[in-house]
Amino acid sequence: DIVMTQSPDSLAVSLGERATINCKSSQSVLYSSNNKNYLAWYQQKPGQPPKLLIYWASTRESGVPDRFSGSGSGTDFTLTISSLQAEDVAVYYCQQYYSTLSITFGQGTRLEIK
Amino acid sequence: EVQLVESGGGLVQPGGSLKLSCAASGFTFSGSAMHWVRQASGKGLEWVGRIRSKANSYATAYAASVKGRFTISRDDSKNTAYLQMNSLKTEDTAVYYCRDGIHWGQGTLVTVSS
Repeated sequence: DIVMTQSPDSLAVSLGERATINCKSSQSVLYSSNNKNYLAWYQQKPGQPPKLLIYWASTRESGVPDRFSGSGSGTDFTLTISSLQAEDVAVYYCQQYYSTLSITFGQGTRLEIK
Repeated sequence: EVQLVESGGGLVQPGGSLKLSCAASGFTFSGSAMHWVRQASGKGLEWVGRIRSKANSYATAYAASVKGRFTISRDDSKNTAYLQMNSLKTEDTAVYYCRDGIHWGQGTLVTVSS
């Protein structure tokens, strides 16, 4: 299985400041035939199911604020929130879908307000 | 509006069985792969398995932790996916979510305890 490792496990950022979450895969999730990274980011608030934010590593899902952005390729990826809002407090997960026989998630990063 | 509604969760003894349902609406269910993902209380997300569409031969795949015990099926005439869980263990206790590529249901709680 592809192992996804996020860092840090938790993060406290002041309102209006930038938040950065990293995700590293144990093998590349870049599919060479279409040059796409099979990597998604999810946001989960307490008592709610996860919500898709980003797919193909950097494509924002419809309706997701543009303060959320994804970057990276191969094995190293980043989710950036450019200006943290109170409603962004949540746990964030990366997920690879390169291996469709075994989809895997990172362990999650808890984002709080400093 | 896309809706995914899980049902069938509850309390079951170790070694027992349970069948979850996921009723879908608001999108072309028959053309979509459907996944099950679970989350133990206070823990991260774990992919359980998926079933592809008829065009992809209803192919299934499972996490190693449930392979041989869980079976995913679907009834396109009812827009419903199923998760049959046999030989349940205490470690299978979790909220079980169904999802397509983007949307998630609200989840149903499965508790395995004597």
